[in-house]
Amino acid sequence: KAGVTQTPRYLIKTRGQQVTLSCSPISGHRSVSWYQQTPGQGLQFLFEYFSETQRNKGNFPGRFSGRQFSNSRSEMNVSTLELGDSALYLCASSRDRGFSPLHFGNGTRLTVT
Amino acid sequence: GQQLNQSPQSMFIQEGEDVSMNCTSSSIFNTWLWYKQDPGEGPVLLIALYKAGELTSNGRLTAQFGITRKDSFLNISASIPSDVGIYFCAGPPANTGTASKLTFGTGTRLQVTL
Repeated sequence: KAGVTQTPRYLIKTRGQQVTLSCSPISGHRSVSWYQQTPGQGLQFLFEYFSETQRNKGNFPGRFSGRQFSNSRSEMNVSTLELGDSALYLCASSRDRGFSPLHFGNGTRLTVT
Repeated sequence: GQQLNQSPQSMFIQEGEDVSMNCTSSSIFNTWLWYKQDPGEGPVLLIALYKAGELTSNGRLTAQFGITRKDSFLNISASIPSDVGIYFCAGPPANTGTASKLTFGTGTRLQVTL
């Protein structure tokens, strides 16, 4: 069974640009969540999608957005990039929103210059 | 915001030794998860705990859900070089309504020497 797949693995962008990251969940998983990981703040929750609807949002500015498609695949977008957005962005999926634990992908390493 | 404090922050041990680490919270959790992250990869789920007092094993790993529901412990027996990595505790706060919005601990970096 394939795991959570994230593309691309690495991205380099300049300040002010926007970026779109993609995530394919484990087959049969309907919930997709996104996390940001930085050395200073650790792992922080961005948002959760289930049945194409955003169910929860973390404490991030509106420049961070996402969506989920009918096949459960998800994308997240960051507009007007700032240097502080440099991070590892992790996508995770679970079967549902209940007790199913999250399974993470290997992330997209975003560097903003 | 809510924080999960892990200790120790880092540890150097010799191959074959047992390892213990813990995670404490200022509030109650209904689920405790333990993940391991290797460099350049995402966290991998090691153990999930769903009930206060629960003790669960996964090979050489054993984790416990604290009775107060505010802490959890992870033990690794007979460590081997591939145990190197960062170990995170995590859980959804009790009032979240979803298991997907996790609060993560600060991590314990484990290094194993031969």
